[in-house]
Amino acid sequence: NAGVTQTPKFRVLKTGQSMTLLCAQDMNHEYMYWYRQDPGMGLRLIHYSVGEGTTAKGEVPDGYNVSRLKKQNFLLGLESAAPSQTSVYFCASSLPSSGANVLTFGAGSRLTVL
Amino acid sequence: RKEVEQDPGPFNVPEGATVAFNCTYSNSASQSFFWYRQDCRKEPKLLMSVYSSGNEDGRFTAQLNRASQYISLLIRDSKLSDSATYLCVVAWGGGSYIPTFGRGTSLIVHP
Repeated sequence: NAGVTQTPKFRVLKTGQSMTLLCAQDMNHEYMYWYRQDPGMGLRLIHYSVGEGTTAKGEVPDGYNVSRLKKQNFLLGLESAAPSQTSVYFCASSLPSSGANVLTFGAGSRLTVL
Repeated sequence: RKEVEQDPGPFNVPEGATVAFNCTYSNSASQSFFWYRQDCRKEPKLLMSVYSSGNEDGRFTAQLNRASQYISLLIRDSKLSDSATYLCVVAWGGGSYIPTFGRGTSLIVHP
């Protein structure tokens, strides 16, 4: 049981380049999330999804797009990367119907934008 | 204005000490409360949920004070392996039930 898998784990981009982070979960979770974590800022929610085909903005959505075409996958896209998007990105999933919205996280993706 | 506030620390304590962290939240409609632990350069992992009546898991005790809108985490007999960042997480309803994280409190346990 892999849980939540993020790819890639590391990436270096130049300003203006585009890329997609992939999050995959095999726990049949309904909800999926993308967070970014910066020093001193804690985890901030970028976008989330409460089910296949639905997405919603979180606290810091600007500069990012997401898609949830399949229940098990949640993609985070950067169309034109900026140095301010240098961060560690965490994907998480959860099953609120289980009674408590406990998050299971992936191992993180470290992105550097030069 | 952050909806979930924590003292960032660091809390620097000797092995065997008792240490307590508080976390305040601004939304009185909050329904679920958790403590997560995050080791350096790793993903957060659930430490424990926080129930209205308070709950204990070994050396860890979590309490909720709805009137004052804060939760607490008490760690007894600290171990070197307890060194980590402790994240307070609060979720409220309104349809989506999305968790919000505090910035975390850093704990360093030294010999």
